Parts: sequence; C-alpha cells; structure tokens
Amino acid sequence: SQQGEEDPQALSIQEGENATMNCSYKTSINNLQWYRQNSGRGLVHLILIRSNEREKHSGRLRVTLDTSKKSSSLLITASRAADTASYFCATEGVYNFNKFYFGSGTKLNVKP
Amino acid sequence: NAGVTQTPKFQVLKTGQSMTLQCAQDMNHEYMSWYRQDPGMGLRLIHYSVGAGITDQGEVPNGYNVSRSTTEDFPLRLLSAAPSQTSVYFCASGVTGAVASPLHFGNGTRLTVT
Repeated sequence: SQQGEEDPQALSIQEGENATMNCSYKTSINNLQWYRQNSGRGLVHLILIRSNEREKHSGRLRVTLDTSKKSSSLLITASRAADTASYFCATEGVYNFNKFYFGSGTKLNVKP
Repeated sequence: NAGVTQTPKFQVLKTGQSMTLQCAQDMNHEYMSWYRQDPGMGLRLIHYSVGAGITDQGEVPNGYNVSRSTTEDFPLRLLSAAPSQTSVYFCASGVTGAVASPLHFGNGTRLTVT
C-alpha cells in the first residue's frame, strides 16, 4: 500500500503559534493533497501539490514536498481556534491513477 | 450548489441485512468514489468510478457492490451486512483526467451493524 502516514498523530498548540504536520508515503506519486476534517463532517480540500513542485502557499498554509524522501509537510501559520480539526494527506500514485490513498491523520487542537 | 449529498446520515442494520447508501453530486463530475473511515485508520477506498458504466475496486471492496448508471449518482450496496462494516462512509467526487484536481466530499453516513 502507498498509504500516507501523518506525524504527529495529535498536536496541541496555543492560538497564534504555528502548527507543522508531516506526511510520509511509500511509492511514486502524481500529486499529494491535504484535507481538513472538522468533527462529524466530510473532508474539505486545502491544497494540492504536484510531484514536480516543491512548495505551495495558500493563505496561512504552506506545503512542501520532497519526493526523494517521499514526504510532505503542512505548515499552518498564526493558528486560530477555528483551525482545530483533523488533517489528512492523500496521494495519487503514478501506477494507481484515480486511486487516492489517505493517511490516518493528525488531530490538531488550537487552544484559545 | 448542493455539492455531494449522502443519504441517510445515520443507519442501524442487523447482521445479514442489505441496504444501499446513496450519493449524488450536482457538479457534473465524472469521478466518484466511496471511502470508509474507521478510528485510527484514515480513509480507505472501497470502489470508484470514472464515468457512467465504469467502476473499479479500491483497497477494501469485499462485501460492497456499486454501479454507475448516471453521472450524478453512485450508490453503494451492502449485500449482507456484518459488524465489521460498522463505519462512517464518505462519498467523494472530482474531475478525472490528466490534470490533478481535488476531491469534494459529502458529510458521510454513519452505519452501525449489530
């Protein structure tokens, strides 16, 4: 399986601090995506990075991708209580087109 | 736009019963998929479809059946429910093709099999 694995499993920070979560995967990918899930809800897409890209930004989000290490990181700057959620990475493999594999997620708690 | 709509939101089944989880999208997406989410396991792909009449298996297809007769709908059938199928089920849709695109998720169906 090329399922991604997030690290850490849980993260608790104060409002205003930065939050970094990491994702590792096993096989070559076409792209990697990050999603957020609020409790009891579906997943919401945050950002997509292609295999030929190294870094992408979207508002307070910064994603990096290192294909040589098969890893990605998501940085949320100046976190807010509303950022409290679970965050998942998902990969689409080169040899598994149209199959998206999700990790087990990082549960982020931002304390006001 | 409604996006991706899943029904029902909650369901309780007895072992051996069958049922269909409904998923509909109004974004004209060719790609649709079903996932199950279990505690500590992330989301696992059950089945997916890249267009009407085309379906394929994901990681955990056993015990589930799908068909795709229209672009809008992608129902998931549980043939004979088992306690191991207790989970939260998510439907997702997206644009298929060479250009990578994000998935749009429904709010899930929470299924309990007793």
